Amino acid sequence: QQQVKQSPQSLIVQKGGISIINCAYENTAFDYFPWYQQFPGKGPALLIAIRPDVSEKKEGRFTISFNKSAKQFSLHIMDSQPGDSATYFCAATETSGSRLTFGEGTQLTVNP
Amino acid sequence: DAGITQSPRHKVTETGTPVTLRCHQTENHRYMYWYRQDPGHGLRLIHYSYGVKDTDKGEVSDGYSVSRSKTEDFLLTLESATSSQTSVYFCAISPDRGSGGYTFGSGTRLTVV
Repeated sequence: QQQVKQSPQSLIVQKGGISIINCAYENTAFDYFPWYQQFPGKGPALLIAIRPDVSEKKEGRFTISFNKSAKQFSLHIMDSQPGDSATYFCAATETSGSRLTFGEGTQLTVNP
Repeated sequence: DAGITQSPRHKVTETGTPVTLRCHQTENHRYMYWYRQDPGHGLRLIHYSYGVKDTDKGEVSDGYSVSRSKTEDFLLTLESATSSQTSVYFCAISPDRGSGGYTFGSGTRLTVV
């Protein structure tokens, strides 16, 4: 079963707009939530991550918002650029565990 | 990606033949993982290793086996390839358990005809 649900499957945004990707999880033992970015022909690369003791984390134009009670977290990309066009994966893990569970992925297209 | 290489990058094979994919790392990381990527399914864990000769199953392990005889190498074997195993396979490494900061290889695109 899919323990991390991601939406939308695809997203088209105009340059300068805000891209928002949402994820929901089931396992309350998850305590580390990274986001990965993948360009065509490449492996995923870690973009930003959050732990549930904070509700928001920002790195440049990328922000994770975290809602522990709702078991949801989201990635916001401000001032989206064509170079942000990629597939984005949310993920979750227990720091006492040994493996990541990934969402289904979101293909983001930023039009110039 | 630096520190982790996958081979081959592309392979076409026939149904019923055995196939072995290789992941090689130079980071001396303890944990190594094999994922498959399929549209609509994201990345799904096949097998992982937490040390030499120490491996465990992931969520989609049926039809796959792995071996790790050296820290730097993690092999994924499809004993008898089927069309449902057509996919892009990614290897990842991690220095310790619970670290979500995986480093991924560039992937192997496998087509089973």
